[in-house]
Amino acid sequence: GQQVMQIPQYQHVQEGEDFTTYCNSSTTLSNIQWYKQRPGGHPVFLIQLVKSGEVKKQKRLTFQFGEAKKNSSLHITATQTTDVGTYFCAGPGGSQGNLIFGKGTKLSVKP
Amino acid sequence: NAGVTQTPKFQVLKTGQSMTLQCAQDMNHEYMSWYRQDPGMGLRLIHYSVGAGITDQGEVPNGYNVSRSTTEDFPLRLLSAAPSQTSVYFCASTGTDGYTFGSGTRLTVV
Repeated sequence: GQQVMQIPQYQHVQEGEDFTTYCNSSTTLSNIQWYKQRPGGHPVFLIQLVKSGEVKKQKRLTFQFGEAKKNSSLHITATQTTDVGTYFCAGPGGSQGNLIFGKGTKLSVKP
Repeated sequence: NAGVTQTPKFQVLKTGQSMTLQCAQDMNHEYMSWYRQDPGMGLRLIHYSVGAGITDQGEVPNGYNVSRSTTEDFPLRLLSAAPSQTSVYFCASTGTDGYTFGSGTRLTVV
């Protein structure tokens, strides 16, 4: 079945360092979504990418969708302690509306 | 707008007990779903619904039932709780801007 793989599983950075998480799909995706989950919280939608090669920015966060629409990345510039949490990518599943989530990248930031 | 409301937030069950996790949304979304989250496993789809009266199984449906009698409500029933169902459960609904998740139910089965 369709899989969405995400690396790394964990990332520990010093505050101010950059951070990147990568997402790869076994199949071509019509779109990809990114979510953030703070410790003890619930996933919160960040963004959706639809077009091949699309790049979107949200302040210090940069999201990219690969040309082949099978991979994506989230890059955070100059991390802050508020960036702590787990970042998930998700792609459409087999049925309308379903999302298949990657296992997430847990980011910790040392002040 | 309350968004997606889940109750209860915490629950402890004994093996074999049954219970219903409640989920309600006020955004008039047709699509709703239930996920469970376990350490290292990410979010796994249990059941989903594309509208009132329509439900279907996800990746890990065994031991769970759902119904969708109204657009707003999508309860998840555990028929006979097992320790393997200890997890955090999230309900979600979706419109055009990604999923909106509830705050979750942390369930422990002893």
